[in-house]
Amino acid sequence: EVQLVESGGGLVQPGGSLRLSCAASGFTVSSNYMSWVRQAPGKGLEWVSVIYSGGSTYYADSVKGRFTISRDNSKNTLYLQMNSLRAEDTAVYYCARVLLHRAFDIWGQGTMVTVSS
Amino acid sequence: QSVLTQPPSVSGAPGQRVTISCTGSSSNIGAGYDVHWYQQLPGTAPKLLIYGNSNRPSGVPDRFSGSKSGTSASLAITGLQAEDEADYYCQSYDSSLSWVFGGGTKLTVL
Repeated sequence: EVQLVESGGGLVQPGGSLRLSCAASGFTVSSNYMSWVRQAPGKGLEWVSVIYSGGSTYYADSVKGRFTISRDNSKNTLYLQMNSLRAEDTAVYYCARVLLHRAFDIWGQGTMVTVSS
Repeated sequence: QSVLTQPPSVSGAPGQRVTISCTGSSSNIGAGYDVHWYQQLPGTAPKLLIYGNSNRPSGVPDRFSGSKSGTSASLAITGLQAEDEADYYCQSYDSSLSWVFGGGTKLTVL
């Protein structure tokens, strides 16, 4: 079964760091474009970052320089390292697989990140 | 605000047809990039509903259809059912090398 399972969310103070994980099953992370999308409480979807199969990475302006997307091919897992966290980073973070059309076809269940003192 | 513009809400009675619009610009939809649609039921992850402007993934009923013209796109839902009540999001790609979403539309089945 094709599946994505996120973990690593939690409560962190402003300025702190957190690393999210996204374990994939049923397909190979490194052969696909993979992305992170977030949703603040009661708000819409916001694209965060993408890693291409070739390794190139891109970020939304709101997280550039603070977040880093990566993958571990041996563990078939996607990561999001989040540093210098701000209150406005509070959201449910979803990992998603990207289709050739640039649509997100497989989504994880999401992991909640709360940035608060 | 979101790069793609959607109406905040739409409503319809069971059995009726509703449409949700999605307006972009010359750097995303108007640049030729595909539009995709997602359905998000309360408390759940988004689900891909339409990809590549008008294609339905396996398992999505043919009551859902999509179209694109110029800098806009639309999602149509015919034969409205109570279980269609959800938030709907459009999404495309932008020439600034970013994925962009609409603000979302809440569909209420009366």
